Amino acid sequence: DVQLAQSGEEVKKPGEPLKISCKGSGDSFSKFWIAWARQMPGKGLEWMGIIYPGDSDTRYSPSFQGQVTISVDKSISTAYLQWSSLKASDTAMYYCARLNTGLDYWGQGTLVTVSS
Amino acid sequence: QSVLTQPPSVSGAPGQRVTIPCTGSSSNLGAGYDVHWYQQLPGKAPKLLIQSNTKRPSGVPDRFSGSKSGTSASLAITGLQADDEAEYHCQSYDGSLSVVFGGGTRLTV
Repeated sequence: DVQLAQSGEEVKKPGEPLKISCKGSGDSFSKFWIAWARQMPGKGLEWMGIIYPGDSDTRYSPSFQGQVTISVDKSISTAYLQWSSLKASDTAMYYCARLNTGLDYWGQGTLVTVSS
Repeated sequence: QSVLTQPPSVSGAPGQRVTIPCTGSSSNLGAGYDVHWYQQLPGKAPKLLIQSNTKRPSGVPDRFSGSKSGTSASLAITGLQADDEAEYHCQSYDGSLSVVFGGGTRLTV
C-alpha cells in the first residue's frame, strides 16, 4: 500500500530557514509526480508545485515561484519543500500528495508555525 | 481567489440530498480537464472522493457521485449522514500539470 509520511510540526521565527519532508513507501515513488499544497488556517487548498522524482522535473505555481524550493532524493523516496527565510504569513498546514488520476494518496500534513 | 469557484458552505438534514457545485472556465474545466473531489474531515488530510469526474475510488460509498458538463462540475451526496460533515474540495488542471483547486465547501449536516 502507498503511504506518504511527512515530517513533524515545526515552530520557527521569521527569517529562519526550513526544510520539510515527505517520504514515500513502495516501489512506485519515482513513477508519479508528487505535489505540495498549502492550507492556511480556515482556508482552502492552494497548489504550490509538483516534482517528478524520476528526473527531478519541477513545476511551480506562479503564486509560489521564487518563494519556496521543491526538491527530491529518489534514492530515499523523499520529496522536500524548503524556505530560505520564513515569514509569519507562511504559517499553515502543508501537504504532499501523489498525482495520479487526481491526488490519490496524501501525507498527514506538516503544521508550520512562524512567530516571533 | 481560487481558480475554481465553490460556495463557502452548504447544509442539509440527515437523509437528504445535497449538491456542491464547482465552476471553472474555458482554460480548465471547459478545456476538457477532469475534475476530482476530495473530502477533508475536521483535523485530517484530504481524501480522494471522486476521480475523473464520476469515478468512485474503492471504498467510497455510492451515496457520493460526481458529474461534469462544460465549465461546471457537481458533487452530489444522498442519504446525508452526520459523519459526512466535512470540507469538500474540487480540483482540476489549468494547462498540463498546473493543478487548480476550488476554495472548498463546508458541509453541515
